[in-house]
Amino acid sequence: ETGVTQSPTHLIKTRGQQVTLRCSSQSGHNTVSWYQQALGQGPQFIFQYYREEENGRGNFPPRFSGLQFPNYSSELNVNALELDDSALYLCASSLDYRGLSFFGQGTRLTVV
Amino acid sequence: GENVEQHPSTLSVQEGDSAVIKCTYSDSASNYFPWYKQELGKRPQLIIDIRSNVGEKKDQRIAVTLNKTAKHFSLHITETQPEDSAVYFCAAIEANQAGTALIFGKGTTLSVSS
Repeated sequence: ETGVTQSPTHLIKTRGQQVTLRCSSQSGHNTVSWYQQALGQGPQFIFQYYREEENGRGNFPPRFSGLQFPNYSSELNVNALELDDSALYLCASSLDYRGLSFFGQGTRLTVV
Repeated sequence: GENVEQHPSTLSVQEGDSAVIKCTYSDSASNYFPWYKQELGKRPQLIIDIRSNVGEKKDQRIAVTLNKTAKHFSLHITETQPEDSAVYFCAAIEANQAGTALIFGKGTTLSVSS
């Protein structure tokens, strides 16, 4: 086990709705990155938070947003859900933004 | 930005054989290359990594080699076992601006038959 936990594990939402996914980073880790993994694909980088600030962003639209809290846990928010947002959402924590990344078990989001 | 290509997409071997998965990357500034193993329905698990100041790293039956000049790196698994069956992803770190992102290949599905 990596010490990185995500909630919920599964979620079903309707197109157009909003969703919040949560991630608790491993103790002592101050960096959290979020990835989207579509079925049969590699994880794609959404964004990274380092000490509560966004520290890099991938090619995702603004309706994907996030937060990092003082205890370094993090949220991923997705507005106006689309069918193509259905995927496994993974968070990864690391000691700092250059460090080894350890993944949580993921949240499986299904948009219907 | 960084682009990572991974081959083959599927690989079937007999138990005890060796397996090799190859990746190429595009950004010569990339300096960290991890490999992840993902079993069905589970999280990606870091199995080995290599930094750009090292040409080879070995951990029991797993080894990774890096050729910085050619911008490619490979995963070698020797004496494969059925429990090695999984999807393997290579990745390269993209040191863009202040943040760093892992850019993943599309994965290799390894099947080890006994």
